[in-house]
Amino acid sequence: DGGITQSPKYLFRKEGQNVTLSCEQNLNHDAMYWYRQDPGQGLRLIYYSQIVNDFQKGDIAEGYSVSREKKESFPLTVTSAQKNPTAFYLCASSIEAAIPGLAGGRTDTQYFGPGTRLTVL
Amino acid sequence: DQQVKQNSPSLSVQEGRISILNCDYTNSMFDYFLWYKKYPAEGPTFLISISSIKDKNEDGRFTVFLNKSAKHLSLHIVPSQPGDSAVYFCAAGGRGSNYKLTFGKGTLLTVNP
Repeated sequence: DGGITQSPKYLFRKEGQNVTLSCEQNLNHDAMYWYRQDPGQGLRLIYYSQIVNDFQKGDIAEGYSVSREKKESFPLTVTSAQKNPTAFYLCASSIEAAIPGLAGGRTDTQYFGPGTRLTVL
Repeated sequence: DQQVKQNSPSLSVQEGRISILNCDYTNSMFDYFLWYKKYPAEGPTFLISISSIKDKNEDGRFTVFLNKSAKHLSLHIVPSQPGDSAVYFCAAGGRGSNYKLTFGKGTLLTVNP
């Protein structure tokens, strides 16, 4: 069945290590997103990708990197430069992402994966 | 600057009664609004959406109302069930956010049996 998968569910890393979180979707969605959720906070956008081989920074991109080599996959790397990496990370996708400034732009519903809880010790 | 605000961190209602969750936004360029439900340690689940050309959208027990002049939307759940206990996030998107979604901080709904 179609959906978004994130692995692993729980991840532990030592301070100073880079770690990569996986996100895969088989919904044939063009757009993919990474969010971070902290206690008492809403979802904050880290990076997003509207199309393969292209991605843009979100509101809190510092200390993170992404790649989008395949339509189905959008891995997120939490680098040692991220000052507060312990958080719940959520991946999402939507059918397509409108291009700002392009006529007919719209917002699409985003569908989320189950999340990865990263704890840096 | 919070563009989407959910001013009630928590709400408690009795089973069978109505739950009303509120959300305010400041960006008049938002034209699409969504509600998500989230259980602890899980990803948000899409519940219902509404575009700015409508003022009401209904799906089963869930109804979303949009008041554009007040920049306010609400989610009504009738009747409330214990399984509805979760955090509910309001989100908005449109030209004002380059079509990306902006989320509120969420409201924890507890439905008591």
